[in-house]
Amino acid sequence: QVQLQESGPGLVKPSETLSLTCTVSGGSVSSGTYYWSWIRQPPGKGLEWIGYIYYNGNTNYNPSLKSRVTLSIDTSKNQFSVKLTSVTAADTAVYYCARGVSVWLTPHDPFDIWGQGTMVTVSS
Amino acid sequence: EVVLTQSPGTLSLSPGERATLSCRASQSVSSNYLAWYQQKPGQAPRVLIHGASSRATGIPDRFSGSGSGTDFTLTISRLEPEDFAVYYCQQYGSSPLTFGGGTKVDIK
Repeated sequence: QVQLQESGPGLVKPSETLSLTCTVSGGSVSSGTYYWSWIRQPPGKGLEWIGYIYYNGNTNYNPSLKSRVTLSIDTSKNQFSVKLTSVTAADTAVYYCARGVSVWLTPHDPFDIWGQGTMVTVSS
Repeated sequence: EVVLTQSPGTLSLSPGERATLSCRASQSVSSNYLAWYQQKPGQAPRVLIHGASSRATGIPDRFSGSGSGTDFTLTISRLEPEDFAVYYCQQYGSSPLTFGGGTKVDIK
């Protein structure tokens, strides 16, 4: 079955760039059927959508983060990634990657498969 | 942006009881693209309901979703011990995708 696994540094210094990768197994990021997303959850708080990307590189970002976030996709490695610049303590969170079903490059179904999440702490 | 407001914040119930969770949207959710997730401590969320009322694969029929437009409800007909968790609603009909603040269902 399809599995997603986040990877990247667990500690990032303030003002630096947070970079995470999601590796997909049992399925392909090249499929036009899905959108691939990042969601985060600060400790003890709710969920915040960061953005999503399609197989062709089309992206959609949360306006609250748009100036600092970039999503990319590497079909050769079956991975997609997020970069968040100029991080502060407010970016400390568990970061999840997730998959949703799309139709005509528009979300049609919600996130049906999630990674286990990776905790990222912003601290000097 | 569609703001989702969930109520109550916490629901204290006993096993076997019925749980009714509410999710209200600040504007109509496009195509009723409203989902419900369950999250247990230390775990990723799991989708329960999509399209406001369709159960996701493998979800027991004690979970049901209803509603349309701006008012949505998740009902758990009889709480099992494993149902005590936090529940989130999410709309995916318009950008940005948004989540509600969550309802915690705990044991009374």
